[in-house]
Amino acid sequence: DAGVTQSPTHLIKTRGQQVTLRCSPKSGHDTVSWYQQALGQGPQFIFQYYEEEERQRGNFPDRFSGHQFPNYSSELNVNALLLGDSALYLCASTLLDTQYFGPGTRLTVL
Amino acid sequence: QKEVEQDPGPLSVPEGAIVSLNCTYSNSAFQYFMWYRQYSRKGPELLMYTYSSGNKEDGRFTAQVDKSSKYISLFIRDSQPSDSATYLCAMRRDQGAQKLVFGQGTRLTINP
Repeated sequence: DAGVTQSPTHLIKTRGQQVTLRCSPKSGHDTVSWYQQALGQGPQFIFQYYEEEERQRGNFPDRFSGHQFPNYSSELNVNALLLGDSALYLCASTLLDTQYFGPGTRLTVL
Repeated sequence: QKEVEQDPGPLSVPEGAIVSLNCTYSNSAFQYFMWYRQYSRKGPELLMYTYSSGNKEDGRFTAQVDKSSKYISLFIRDSQPSDSATYLCAMRRDQGAQKLVFGQGTRLTINP
């Protein structure tokens, strides 16, 4: 059984650009959450998708948006990138109260 | 003030030692408590999951929750070099797929 997968593994962008990160949940998991983990910090909740709708959102600006597809996979989009957006972006899928994390996408903004 | 406080370490102990990792929190609404382990350049992996106050044991790992003190702990017995990782405490208010609030993480090294 494949775990949560994320692509790409690494990404380098410049300030002002836009980026799209992708996540495929574990088989049978219908809820996807996104987290941002800055270096040396714990993950911070960005938002959560269920049945293709954003169900809950953390304290992130509107530059951060997402989407969930009918097959439960999800995308995270970040517009107008800032240097401070450099971080590891983690996707988690949920089954029976437990969130399972993917390996993350490391985004570097120059 | 952060909702969840965790000493970032780093913490370095010899192989075989008992390790104690701790978190404090301010939101009394938290009811579900977790410990995740994160190896370098990997995603967090769930180690322990507890509800409300009490103890839970799984092999060499024991999780304790004291809601009256807003304090949770993870104990690792007979620590091994493979336990070297960052340990993250996490918690949430309600049952279901609600957002997790994480501590900063404690970086642990077990020396052979």
